[in-house]
Amino acid sequence: SQTIHQWPATLVQPVGSPLSLECTVEGTSNPNLYWYRQAAGRGLQLLFYSVGIGQISSEVPQNLSASRPQDRQFILSSKKLLLSDSGFYLCAWTPYYGYTFGSGTRLTVV
Amino acid sequence: GIQVEQSPPDLILQEGANSTLRCNFSDSVNNLQWFHQNPWGQLINLFYIPSGTKQNGRLSATTVATERYSLLYISSSQTTDSGVYFCAVGTGNTNAGKSTFGDGTTLTVKP
Repeated sequence: SQTIHQWPATLVQPVGSPLSLECTVEGTSNPNLYWYRQAAGRGLQLLFYSVGIGQISSEVPQNLSASRPQDRQFILSSKKLLLSDSGFYLCAWTPYYGYTFGSGTRLTVV
Repeated sequence: GIQVEQSPPDLILQEGANSTLRCNFSDSVNNLQWFHQNPWGQLINLFYIPSGTKQNGRLSATTVATERYSLLYISSSQTTDSGVYFCAVGTGNTNAGKSTFGDGTTLTVKP
């Protein structure tokens, strides 16, 4: 079966520290993958999407970057976190029609 | 870019009541989804409905693409229906495109 995994579930990081969030998809090949961020009380904002290995499109200028080193792996990174990077980060893919989301990572930068 | 407006922003119901949530969008769309975000943050896909009407148990949705709106109906609400409901729309092929989310409707169902 097709599933999407995202970890960790929660993360507390100090300002200036690096970040690495990982998302993997099982049971499919060459999926389109997305990173969204949700600020408290708001809707989701698309950060990055990828249609294949090494192909990353960025939607908003920010302190974050994304990489796709393998077909079913999507990584969100930062070299130095800012307080404004706090939020709920969700990975998604599109199996047939529409998005299917991972369980999310709640990031708090302190 | 496309604008998505959801109403009402907040809704409080007694268990057993019915409700209608609305999603307006500013441009023609090729894909539209409704999601339920539970209190733990998980986003559950309710409907993929760029046009027409669909039903799934107590939930149904209708999208009138020519008039640029979609409605989500919840009948006989239960406390487990509480959470935030999001509408997401896109203008491209959903398997390669990007969606814009509304700010959501927060539903609280009281026992």
